[in-house]
Amino acid sequence: GAGVSQTPSNKVTEKGKYVELRCDPISGHTALYWYRQSLGQGPEFLIYFQGTGAADDSGLPNDRFFAVRPEGSVSTLKIQRTERGDSAVYLCASSLTSGRLADTQYFGPGTRLTVL
Amino acid sequence: AQSVTQLDSQVPVFEEAPVELRCNYSSSVSVYLFWYVQYPNQGLQLLLKYLSGSTLVESINGFEAEFNKSQTSFHLRKPSVHISDTAEYFCAVRISYGGSQGNLIFGKGTKLSVKP
Repeated sequence: GAGVSQTPSNKVTEKGKYVELRCDPISGHTALYWYRQSLGQGPEFLIYFQGTGAADDSGLPNDRFFAVRPEGSVSTLKIQRTERGDSAVYLCASSLTSGRLADTQYFGPGTRLTVL
Repeated sequence: AQSVTQLDSQVPVFEEAPVELRCNYSSSVSVYLFWYVQYPNQGLQLLLKYLSGSTLVESINGFEAEFNKSQTSFHLRKPSVHISDTAEYFCAVRISYGGSQGNLIFGKGTKLSVKP
């Protein structure tokens, strides 16, 4: 399909383990966002990429969280030493940089992370 | 700092009844306003947005929202709901830097439940 895709759809891990979550944005979208949605809450911003560089990482909760986008397309969110509080749905969104649709962020289906 | 308040966590209504989902925001600068919808087992989808111009914006499925700057509100309305409108609705804001990128700040969401 032509939408934002995220893999895996579900990830169960044990406390202390390392996980990687992948986001494949819509082709041609240079802006990419990561959000985290905890149960009963709205999505909370984590990090925003413009091309290959992180334009704003102010939402990352601590240094266990890191994200990359080496070629300006696919992005990977990496979480080290996972904690039970990291359990949430991790959402990825992408958007154009210019044009009338530049303000619309298109969301993927999310990755549900469960830390046991 | 910007914030979004959705006072109603759940709104049950009967089919064909009117509905209003409330959204208030706080910001000391100009913002863009959005409503996203999440249908059961699906990802977030943009419903409508206000960027500038007419304060009343409409979606293709009969929803409308009005930007009220003095009351810092962006309430979502529909004169007659359908069973298929059952979903969770999220209000979001983004600072209008002058560019077209930047993270969204979401409310906690309102679950609309339409009963026959």
